[in-house]
Amino acid sequence: QLVLTQSPSASASLGASVKLTCTLSSGHSSYAIAWHQQQPEKGPRFLMKINSDGSHNKGDGIHDRFSGSSSGAERYLTISSLQSEDEADYYCQAWGTGIQVFGGGTKLTVL
Amino acid sequence: EVQLVESGGGWVQPGGSLRLSCAASGLTFSNYAMNWVRQAPGKGLEWVSTIGSTGGTYYADSVKGRFNISRDNSRNTLSLQMNSLRVDDTAIYYCAKSTRIDYWGQGTLVTVSS
Repeated sequence: QLVLTQSPSASASLGASVKLTCTLSSGHSSYAIAWHQQQPEKGPRFLMKINSDGSHNKGDGIHDRFSGSSSGAERYLTISSLQSEDEADYYCQAWGTGIQVFGGGTKLTVL
Repeated sequence: EVQLVESGGGWVQPGGSLRLSCAASGLTFSNYAMNWVRQAPGKGLEWVSTIGSTGGTYYADSVKGRFNISRDNSRNTLSLQMNSLRVDDTAIYYCAKSTRIDYWGQGTLVTVSS
């Protein structure tokens, strides 16, 4: 069964960097995932797709401060030079034939 | 620029029905799978349903047999017919483009309550 696991929360200081993790369930380590950002009181926004080899494709207008990488069953989203507007919920998403799965989301607090 | 605009949300009593629509622009609508994703108050994102570019349909177990997804490629419109609504169907419903979702609508709120 395809399951995505995320830590419920993360925090980092203004101007620092943070790395968020999304872990694919056993047997699904070759899957690509997508990262989505949801700022408070707003709808989600697509950030990037990350492949199992770490290559990634960003959405329209996504800043260079956002980058992605991969290691085994883990997919990462790194945000550098944190800004106040980066405080948001971050969700990973994976897909298969006839199914979509979301992780539980990570609430990022910018200190 | 891709735009997805949902409509049709509102308040309905348990057991009732509601039909959501999503108007798409800025894309060749017929080329893409389309999805409905929902978010209950204070909760995370939950996939509801997908319709493929060739019309194949897929549903989450929680809505199977109650919801029906459809598309009208001539009008660039995605729909979700929701029947036998339950209190736990209360959520913001988002329209989203492609299997690997790369565009989202702003959402429409569905409240199921007596």
